Amino acid sequence: AQSVAQPEDQVNVAEGNPLTVKCTYSVSGNPYLFWYVQYPNRGLQFLLKYITGDNLVKGSYGFEAEFNKSQTSFHLKKPSALVSDSALYFCAVRDSPGNTGKLIFGQGTTLQVKP
Amino acid sequence: KAGVTQTPRYLIKTRGQQVTLSCSPISGHRSVSWYQQTPGQGLQFLFEYFSETQRNKGNFPGRFSGRQFSNSRSEMNVSTLELGDSALYLCASSLEVQGGTNEKLFFGSGTQLSVL
Repeated sequence: AQSVAQPEDQVNVAEGNPLTVKCTYSVSGNPYLFWYVQYPNRGLQFLLKYITGDNLVKGSYGFEAEFNKSQTSFHLKKPSALVSDSALYFCAVRDSPGNTGKLIFGQGTTLQVKP
Repeated sequence: KAGVTQTPRYLIKTRGQQVTLSCSPISGHRSVSWYQQTPGQGLQFLFEYFSETQRNKGNFPGRFSGRQFSNSRSEMNVSTLELGDSALYLCASSLEVQGGTNEKLFFGSGTQLSVL
């Protein structure tokens, strides 16, 4: 069965510093990986996805993610954090290629960016 | 283009009642999925509909059901509500293209259900 793990419940970073939110995955077959962000009282917003190709994926709001097959990781990164990046971040894997709407989500990581 | 719309935004029910939640996907999207979000269990997949057919179902009891209409709008129903059903219910839609299987999901803001 597909699964993802986000080992950190919360990540704290100072504004202007680089940030990393960690994600590891377990899949059978090719991984289809996603990052979503959730602001308070809102639904999830898509940040980026990895299907195939370059291991460094660029997404919305200056975020990027690095796919590492040997370490089965898909960490979310940003070179310079903003206070407005403070939110709940979810890593997800598609259950199987044919299941467009079925994502398996990690438990989420709260990112706190302090001024 | 309007986003995914979920109604109502908030609901308060008592145990044993039933509830119906509504979701209008983005125009042109034919896939609609539902998720339950709770602090303890996180985000869990309920079911997915495509062209009025249930394509996938998560590990929820039969009290949870859904349907999709010809205009792609979807409803989910929870019967005999339990306290543990209190959650944020999120609907997501996606655009599927021929041969494409990795479209992103667009989420609504959710319906916050409280069961007393």
